[in-house]
Amino acid sequence: DAGITQSPRHKVTETGTPVTLRCHQTENHRYMYWYRQDPGHGLRLIHYSYGVKDTDKGEVSDGYSVSRSKTEDFLLTLESATSSQTSVYFCAIRGRTGGSGYTFGSGTRLTVV
Amino acid sequence: DAKTTQPNSMESNEEEPVHLPCNHSTISGTDYIHWYRQLPSQGPEYVIHGLTSNVNNRMASLAIAEDRKSSTLILHRATLRDAAVYYCMPAAGNQFYFGTGTSLTVIP
Repeated sequence: DAGITQSPRHKVTETGTPVTLRCHQTENHRYMYWYRQDPGHGLRLIHYSYGVKDTDKGEVSDGYSVSRSKTEDFLLTLESATSSQTSVYFCAIRGRTGGSGYTFGSGTRLTVV
Repeated sequence: DAKTTQPNSMESNEEEPVHLPCNHSTISGTDYIHWYRQLPSQGPEYVIHGLTSNVNNRMASLAIAEDRKSSTLILHRATLRDAAVYYCMPAAGNQFYFGTGTSLTVIP
C-alpha cells in the first residue's frame, strides 16, 4: 500500500535463529504498530511505537523486541525464533490523533521450521 | 481495553444492504469507533470511523448508538468485492485491539 512497506514479504527460518522484520513508512506518521495474525485469533498487537525510541508492549510481546531509531523505520526482532511464532505479521501506521485510522502494510509471512 | 463482540459470520445477497453489528459496551467516552475490513490474503484496510454522530463515506455508513455501547456498519449495496472479514475496534488511547471480526459472505 502507498506509504508503508514491509520486508521481507516471505521468510522461512530455522528454530533458534534471530529474525528481523522491517516496516518502512514515507508518511512521517508518529505511531507505528506490529501485529501478528493467526487462524482463530484475529489480529493481536505485539508492540507499538509512539515516536523515535519510544515503544511499548502490546498483548503478545513475549519473545519479540522492537526498535525505532528513525521515524520511518520500525523493526521487529525475534531473538530466537520458535515454531509458535510462525504467523503473518502486519505493520500499521497511524496519524497523531485518536480519530485517525490505520494504514496497514501487505504483511510478512514468516515460517519457523 | 474495550472489548468487542461481533457475530462470527453473516451472509448477504448481492446488491442488498448489509448491517454488521458490533457491541462495545466497555467503550470509554473518548474512544473513537473504527471499522476495518480484510480481504483474503491482504492486510486490513480502513473503512470508516466515528465518535458520536453517524458517519457516511463512499464505502459505508456507520450508525452509532446513543449510549455508544454498540455500532452498526452499513453497506448499502453489497457487491462480491465486499466479501471480507469486518472488524470493529474502539480506539483506546494509543493501542488498537482487534477482535476476531465478522466474516461476510456475499451471495451472487
